[in-house]
Amino acid sequence: NAGVTQTPKFQVLKTGQSMTLQCAQDMNHEYMSWYRQDPGMGLRLIHYSVGAGITDQGEVPNGYNVSRSTTEDFPLRLLSAAPSQTSVYFCASRGRGLRNTEAFFGQGTRLTVV
Amino acid sequence: AQSVSQHNHHVILSEAASLELGCNYSYGGTVNLFWYVQYPGQHLQLLLKYFSGDPLVKGIKGFEAEFIKSKFSFNLRKPSVQWSDTAEYFCALPAGNKLTFGGGTRVLVKP
Repeated sequence: NAGVTQTPKFQVLKTGQSMTLQCAQDMNHEYMSWYRQDPGMGLRLIHYSVGAGITDQGEVPNGYNVSRSTTEDFPLRLLSAAPSQTSVYFCASRGRGLRNTEAFFGQGTRLTVV
Repeated sequence: AQSVSQHNHHVILSEAASLELGCNYSYGGTVNLFWYVQYPGQHLQLLLKYFSGDPLVKGIKGFEAEFIKSKFSFNLRKPSVQWSDTAEYFCALPAGNKLTFGGGTRVLVKP
């Protein structure tokens, strides 16, 4: 059981470039989220999805797009990378229901924008 | 809106010392709470979780947390830390469709 798989693990982008961070889960979870982690700021929610075809913004959505065409996949797109998007990005998934609110995290993607 | 706050940003202690990390929350709905740990260079892993019932929750690696509703708190404790407990610790609150995290506490255990 792979859990939550993120690719790539490391990425360096030039300002203005675009890219997609991939996230896949094999637990049939309905909820998926993207967070960014910055020193001293904890984890901040970028976008989340409650099921295929349904996405919504978190607290720091600007500069990022998401889509959820399948239950398994939840890619995060950076449209035009900026140095302020240098961060570690985590994808998480969890099931629906009171007892399924525990989130499972991917290994993270360390992104540097130069 | 829900919120989670962790007042200790950095904690430094020696092996065998006791650890207590504070977590306070604000939320008007049914309260579930988690503590996650992130070891250096790794992803977040669940330490323990509170759903309902006994307010004293035991987790992995000797950690425990106590839910005190009247204080809106869910503090994490460990009686005797080890060097391997060096990590960042996050308190988290699921609320509706979102999972809200505190700012994290970095713990450094000196050998």
